[in-house]
Amino acid sequence: AQSVTQLDSHVSVSEGTPVLLRCNYSSSYSPSLFWYVQHPNKGLQLLLKYTSAATLVKGINGFEAEFKKSETSFHLTKPSAHMSDAAEYFCVVSAAYAGGTSYGKLTFGQGTILTVHP
Amino acid sequence: ETGVTQSPTHLIKTRGQQVTLRCSSQSGHNTVSWYQQALGQGPQFIFQYYREEENGRGNFPPRFSGLQFPNYSSELNVNALELDDSALYLCASRGGQGHNEQFFGPGTRLTVL
Repeated sequence: AQSVTQLDSHVSVSEGTPVLLRCNYSSSYSPSLFWYVQHPNKGLQLLLKYTSAATLVKGINGFEAEFKKSETSFHLTKPSAHMSDAAEYFCVVSAAYAGGTSYGKLTFGQGTILTVHP
Repeated sequence: ETGVTQSPTHLIKTRGQQVTLRCSSQSGHNTVSWYQQALGQGPQFIFQYYREEENGRGNFPPRFSGLQFPNYSSELNVNALELDDSALYLCASRGGQGHNEQFFGPGTRLTVL
């Protein structure tokens, strides 16, 4: 079984300040973890992914996430927010076990809406 | 390289009707998954198709069914529509076993009246 908890439903920051979106996960298998972004009335875009290589993962648009197994966390950060970052962000877990009907199933968190103020 | 495409973009149906949504996977991808995203929620896994066979299913009733074709495109069929079926339906494709990064289409917005 796998699950994801996004600890904040809404985060509000000023342009140019750091962004922190928090995510905790649970997985019976060694997980793959992802962050996706969804702009209004758009589909989902992959920001970054962790698949058991380096624990600090760099993604697009300056975003990073750090996998911490001891804390079962995968928080998303960005040093300086931009107005275009305003969107909804989803933390996602997938079973890395390459077998069974659960492979490839993505389990999404409830989402965090990021607002960026000028 | 062509991304994942879905049709139609928007659809309005009435309760009890049937609907078919379509998805073309990204070039070279043989696995397609469908997700339902209700308003204000994260997407929920419906099912997955690999080489024309369903090989994973979430907690959705049998009136949600699907197909995958030899060219790896896919359909999602929903019978006996209910008001709660109103949602954004997302299709995602990936390159099969060993590839777990999924690429999403723009979605189909279904409204059931």
